[in-house]
Amino acid sequence: GQNIDQPTEMTATEGAIVQINCTYQTSGFNGLFWYQQHAGEAPTFLSYNVLDGLEEKGRFSSFLSRSKGYSYLLLKELQMKDSASYLCAVIQGGANNLFFGTGTRLTVIP
Amino acid sequence: NAGVTQTPKFQVLKTGQSMTLQCAQDMNHEYMSWYRQDPGMGLRLIHYSVGAGITDQGEVPNGYNVSRSTTEDFPLRLLSAAPSQTSVYFCASSHTGGSGNTIYFGEGSWLTVV
Repeated sequence: GQNIDQPTEMTATEGAIVQINCTYQTSGFNGLFWYQQHAGEAPTFLSYNVLDGLEEKGRFSSFLSRSKGYSYLLLKELQMKDSASYLCAVIQGGANNLFFGTGTRLTVIP
Repeated sequence: NAGVTQTPKFQVLKTGQSMTLQCAQDMNHEYMSWYRQDPGMGLRLIHYSVGAGITDQGEVPNGYNVSRSTTEDFPLRLLSAAPSQTSVYFCASSHTGGSGNTIYFGEGSWLTVV
């Protein structure tokens, strides 16, 4: 089985930095994903980590520690359009099946 | 580029009715899957397929049926709709063994069962 935990809601100020944490317990770990989802829309890919360490992509960075079952998504220079839900998902086994946390709803305020 | 196409986008069903959600992809992906998204639950895997003629159950398969007669299409059938199946449904596809940036989601299908 798998257990993926992330905070339900977060609020941050425009221009600031926010870190969204995700912890997981799963067998057959084969990578961790972060997706962004605006209300009423499909999830869109942000990042993928399979090895320990930090992956940076513009204003977004994602970190993974496999030994700790821990990941975070770091958003820099927050913009109002970053208000969305951020979904942590683990891929398990050989098939590309994703197991999602409940998502973190981020609200960016002026 | 069509990507992953889902139809219909919105549907209202009466309890006991059956219907099929269509999913098609034009990227020659081996892997296709269906998820449902409910408030406070995150996305949950219903069924998946790793190639034509092969399907398997995910976390929440009860009440749903799938088939994969072609590489392109992966329809999801609700056999006898129940209010508990009111949800948003997403189809996804990728090459097998690919990295995360090759998992594509359709735009979603909003289903209400009354």
